[in-house]
Amino acid sequence: NAGVTQTPKFQVLKTGQSMTLQCAQDMNHEYMSWYRQDPGMGLRLIHYSVGAGITDQGEVPNGYNVSRSTTEDFPLRLLSAAPSQTSVYFCASSYGTGARANEKLFFGSGTQLSVL
Amino acid sequence: GESVGLHLPTLSVQEGDNSIINCAYSNSASDYFIWYKQESGKGPQFIIDIRSNMDKRQGQRVTVLLNKTVKHLSLQIAATQPGDSAVYFCGERRRGGSNYKLTFGKGTLLTVNP
Repeated sequence: NAGVTQTPKFQVLKTGQSMTLQCAQDMNHEYMSWYRQDPGMGLRLIHYSVGAGITDQGEVPNGYNVSRSTTEDFPLRLLSAAPSQTSVYFCASSYGTGARANEKLFFGSGTQLSVL
Repeated sequence: GESVGLHLPTLSVQEGDNSIINCAYSNSASDYFIWYKQESGKGPQFIIDIRSNMDKRQGQRVTVLLNKTVKHLSLQIAATQPGDSAVYFCGERRRGGSNYKLTFGKGTLLTVNP
């Protein structure tokens, strides 16, 4: 198994540009999520999904959209990038839903995004 | 507000010593806690977890202690090695509407001196 795969690893955008961060997992995990990591702020939850067709907001959802059309993929979209979205983004997945959701998250290796 | 926090942002220990990383939480309804290790340039990796109905759980060279009375969580690493140098995050699972959310503290940087 490849685990959680994120692409790209690095990206530079200009303010106002749009892009999609890709995330795929091959572990048949129902739960998937996106975090951003900023210096001194730890990991903050952006959006999450408990299964195909179901998404919900996390702590810092503004400026980001997600969809979950398949169990394997959970892309994160920036419609109009802003410098405040410069960060390292991590996708994570885990088994189960409901009360057992997001236990033992498996993280991808991250995408470093810079918005100029 | 409710949050998961850390007492010390940095911790420096000598190789072979035991390390203790602390974490405070404020949500008494959190039912599950977890520790992750993050090495430079990599994604977080699971270390150990504990449910709220337990006080202690041991893994290989690591022990997690949960004190619900004072809402405190700690990670103990025995015989710390240079490879243990990393940022350590504690996380708590709390209910957010109809689902559960796993949120994390800001992290503690552990440096192991040879």
